[in-house]
Amino acid sequence: GQQLNQSPQSMFIQEGEDVSMNCTSSSIFNTWLWYKQDPGEGPVLLIALYKAGELTSNGRLTAQFGITRKDSFLNISASIPSDVGIYFCAGRRNAGNMLTFGGGTRLMVKP
Amino acid sequence: SQTIHQWPATLVQPVGSPLSLECTVEGTSNPNLYWYRQAAGRGLQLLFYSVGIGQISSEVPQNLSASRPQDRQFILSSKKLLLSDSGFYLCAWSETVGYGYTFGSGTRLTVV
Repeated sequence: GQQLNQSPQSMFIQEGEDVSMNCTSSSIFNTWLWYKQDPGEGPVLLIALYKAGELTSNGRLTAQFGITRKDSFLNISASIPSDVGIYFCAGRRNAGNMLTFGGGTRLMVKP
Repeated sequence: SQTIHQWPATLVQPVGSPLSLECTVEGTSNPNLYWYRQAAGRGLQLLFYSVGIGQISSEVPQNLSASRPQDRQFILSSKKLLLSDSGFYLCAWSETVGYGYTFGSGTRLTVV
């Protein structure tokens, strides 16, 4: 079945540092989404990407839809303690298909 | 605006007891509904999804079942819980299958 490989699995960084994480697949996806899950809560949509090469920002977050359509990247600039949580990528191959989720990246920020 | 409600927030149940988790969506009609389980604070495992009343698709054979008795109500059940059923259960909805899921706040189930 379709799988999304998300890396790194976890990151422990200092406040103020930039963060990069990515999601890769052996299959082509036509939609990429990035979610954040705060501890004990449900995931919340951060950014949605619909075109290869698209670069979209949401505050300090920037996500890119890879040119090959087999990967996506999320960057967080100048991290702060409230960035702590699990970040999930998700992809959809075609209209009517289910979302496939990556395994998540657990981000920990040291003040 | 649309909202999704999930309850209870936490639940501790003995092995062998039944389970019923409820999820409701407000502010939309004919939503696509999903149940996910998350173990150990990591990946999301799709358990069931529904595209309409009485229509349930199971992704993983297991000790759980789902039902959709009303358009905006999705129920996750078990007749006899196992220790391995412990986890964080998330309900989600979307207007279109596979598009822009909105998640509920989750139920943390501990089977003892």
